Amino acid sequence: NAGVTQTPKFQVLKTGQSMTLQCAQDMNHEYMSWYRQDPGMGLRLIHYSVGAGITDQGEVPNGYNVSRSTTEDFPLRLLSAAPSQTSVYFCASTPGQANTEAFFGQGTRLTVV
Amino acid sequence: AQKVTQAQTEISVVEKEDVTLDCVYETRDTTYYLFWYKQPPSGELVFLIRRNSFDEQNEISGRYSWNFQKSTSSFNFTITASQVVDSAVYFCALSHSDTGRRALTFGSGTRLQVQP
Repeated sequence: NAGVTQTPKFQVLKTGQSMTLQCAQDMNHEYMSWYRQDPGMGLRLIHYSVGAGITDQGEVPNGYNVSRSTTEDFPLRLLSAAPSQTSVYFCASTPGQANTEAFFGQGTRLTVV
Repeated sequence: AQKVTQAQTEISVVEKEDVTLDCVYETRDTTYYLFWYKQPPSGELVFLIRRNSFDEQNEISGRYSWNFQKSTSSFNFTITASQVVDSAVYFCALSHSDTGRRALTFGSGTRLQVQP
């Protein structure tokens, strides 16, 4: 059982480049979300989705786009990368019940130079 | 707005010492969920415990125990007889009310170093 799979694990981008961070889950979870982790700041919510075709903004959405065309996939797009987007990105999925824990991917370490 | 505060940025102990990691939260919700996650040096996030706002019973799991007190909005985590393998960053998190309590608001984390 793969759980939540993120690709790539590492990426270096030049300022202004675009890229998509992939996230896939095989647990049929309704809810998926993206976080970024920066030193001393914990994880902050970027975007989330409550089901296929439905997405919404989290605390730090600027510079990122998401879509949810299937239950399994929730890609995060950086349209024009900036050094401030250098971070570790985590994707998570959560079952429908509110009292269950989130399952996290292994993370993607992104560096923008 | 919700907030989770982990005031201890870094704690260093010697193996076999007991250590308590503090977590204080703020929320307007009457129903909410609290979590602890561990992030070892390898970087993944490991779920440790979940507690809902209606259940104030303390919980013990092996060397780990959790003390939830609604009166002080705290959800503290104690490791008894710490071991080197406990070295990690520990995050306290609160269910995010704006997302139907599915996403999380995290504290800034406490880095625990257990010296042999």
